[in-house]
Amino acid sequence: DQQVKQNSPSLSVQEGRISILNCDYTNSMFDYFLWYKKYPAEGPTFLISISSIKDKNEDGRFTVFLNKSAKHLSLHIVPSQPGDSAVYFCAARIIQGAQKLVFGQGTRLTINP
Amino acid sequence: ETGVTQTPRHLVMGMTNKKSLKCEQHLGHNAMYWYKQSAKKPLELMFVYNFKEQTENNSVPSRFSPECPNSSHLFLHLHTLQPEDSALYLCASSHPSEGGTGTEAFFGQGTRLTVV
Repeated sequence: DQQVKQNSPSLSVQEGRISILNCDYTNSMFDYFLWYKKYPAEGPTFLISISSIKDKNEDGRFTVFLNKSAKHLSLHIVPSQPGDSAVYFCAARIIQGAQKLVFGQGTRLTINP
Repeated sequence: ETGVTQTPRHLVMGMTNKKSLKCEQHLGHNAMYWYKQSAKKPLELMFVYNFKEQTENNSVPSRFSPECPNSSHLFLHLHTLQPEDSALYLCASSHPSEGGTGTEAFFGQGTRLTVV
């Protein structure tokens, strides 16, 4: 049973336009949501997070929106740049002893010049 | 550079071999994790160590054996693996559970394991 889902395996966006990556979750016990970016042959790197008590968090070109009633979050990147091309993972945090992150399958974002 | 170092970066091993993956962090974190990433699958949590104590074993087969001698080092001992165990194995560390802080996990670059 997959608790965090990214239903789009890939997304292609024109440079300068907005990229929107989506993520759905099922477990109401998640208290934080995070986005990670992964380049080939590297580990995931943290991008931005949002608490479950907020509905928006912004950091430069990156904004994460949380719709708790729909159990849905999205990452907006604007304007998109070629260096944003990577695989983006949505993750949700749950505290069970130590904190645990549950990841989605990832969405491969390609920014076209 | 995330502060989490994994060695080796690549490993090819036969099904009868015994090998170990190593992870090291000097970020002052007390929680360490092993994740597995197979093709087209989400990152799967394998093991969690919190203050050197194993707190999670996500139904991982016994051919994978973790060891956490101290808060800075984590090992994954491998023996009699199967070809389907070929994957990217990622180590991560974080501060232990703390309410109210979105403390992200920092990942190493991973070990690409191929079992032949």
